[in-house]
Amino acid sequence: EAQVTQNPRYLITVTGKKLTVTCSQNMNHEYMSWYRQDPGLGLRQIYYSMNVEVTDKGDVPEGYKVSRKEKRNFPLILESPSPNQTSLYFCASSSMSGPYEQYFGPGTRLTVT
Amino acid sequence: RKEVEQDPGPFNVPEGATVAFNCTYSNSASQSFFWYRQDCRKEPKLLMSVYSSGNEDGRFTAQLNRASQYISLLIRDSKLSDSATYLCVVREIKAAGNKLTFGGGTRVLVKP
Repeated sequence: EAQVTQNPRYLITVTGKKLTVTCSQNMNHEYMSWYRQDPGLGLRQIYYSMNVEVTDKGDVPEGYKVSRKEKRNFPLILESPSPNQTSLYFCASSSMSGPYEQYFGPGTRLTVT
Repeated sequence: RKEVEQDPGPFNVPEGATVAFNCTYSNSASQSFFWYRQDCRKEPKLLMSVYSSGNEDGRFTAQLNRASQYISLLIRDSKLSDSATYLCVVREIKAAGNKLTFGGGTRVLVKP
């Protein structure tokens, strides 16, 4: 089954404690992306990657890091989480050559206290 | 001005009625357009792509108006299960590759 998986699905943590949210896709997609969704602000792109070792900032990259060492995985790293990073996070992937439908993971609800 | 704007709603729709709403975009060079559906706290899922000539998928009709820079979604014979947030998505081609921009979503509530 074609899918994007994210782990963990729910996480409560404290300010400053480094964490990683994993994302994996099994569709051999070149393009992967991280979004955060907050009430009233919609989906905002954090980082994206067009292929292995190719990553770039989205609209709200501050406080986040990513890596793309393998095509299927695109982890999101919060080196020093802060309460304003409390949000619902989605990973997504798509083909670069069309169709451009983005497949989303189930989401990770992060709370930073 | 936001790149992609939607009326947040909610649109309260009686079951069986028709509802329509628009999404405006600011970049006239935008290439592709999509409607996604998102249920509460779940991941967005593609509802339909929007083609230049307009397209229909069952009870859903999407239109593109490039001159006025908006796309629209019309839902006929609304079902209770159509209650969701509908996200407009615009694809642009940037130097770094494709960029997808999401609108804030339009919430639709279908009531008996």
